[in-house]
Amino acid sequence: DQQVKQNSPSLSVQEGRISILNCDYTNSMFDYFLWYKKYPAEGPTFLISISSIKDKNEDGRFTVFLNKSAKHLSLHIVPSQPGDSAVYFCAASARNYGGSQGNLIFGKGTKLSVKP
Amino acid sequence: GAGVSQSPRYKVAKRGQDVALRCDPISGHVSLFWYQQALGQGPEFLTYFQNEAQLDKSGLPSDRFFAERPEGSVSTLKIQRTQQEDSAVYLCASSLRVGQPQHFGDGTRLSIL
Repeated sequence: DQQVKQNSPSLSVQEGRISILNCDYTNSMFDYFLWYKKYPAEGPTFLISISSIKDKNEDGRFTVFLNKSAKHLSLHIVPSQPGDSAVYFCAASARNYGGSQGNLIFGKGTKLSVKP
Repeated sequence: GAGVSQSPRYKVAKRGQDVALRCDPISGHVSLFWYQQALGQGPEFLTYFQNEAQLDKSGLPSDRFFAERPEGSVSTLKIQRTQQEDSAVYLCASSLRVGQPQHFGDGTRLSIL
């Protein structure tokens, strides 16, 4: 059973517009969430994270929103650029619960294409 | 280097052979993780080290998989008697400590013929 779900395998957006990538989770023990970006033949690159004590975190063009009651988070990219085209992974961990070592549980990823 | 370094980048082996994959984490990072990524899937946790201690190996798929980090820096993931289902990308990640963002290497793509 998948604990982290990214239900959209792909997303296409026009350059300059907003990209919204969504992620749902089922485990209420998760307290730390991250987004990674991955280009082909490279490892995932850390983008932005959010702790469960917050509902929003912003870093430049990237903003992550967390809705704990809905067990949902989203990544907003504004404005989208062609260089943002990549696979985006949502990941979660349970940092503050006994026995957890902070290992990440990943979704299957969403392939974002930003068209010029 | 500044990032996590993994070698080799690509490894082809015949079924039944043993393989060893190396990870050189970011200097000073206490935590080191190994993940396995199958095609079209997200990375899946294999094992975790804090310095030289292997604190969690619950994700290792079988006793053919073995990992070590003897001096708390470089880590090696060894797979004995490889099978076709071991074909995947093996990713290593390190973080300053538990609870901090993990930084990934580019992985080793393992193909078992």
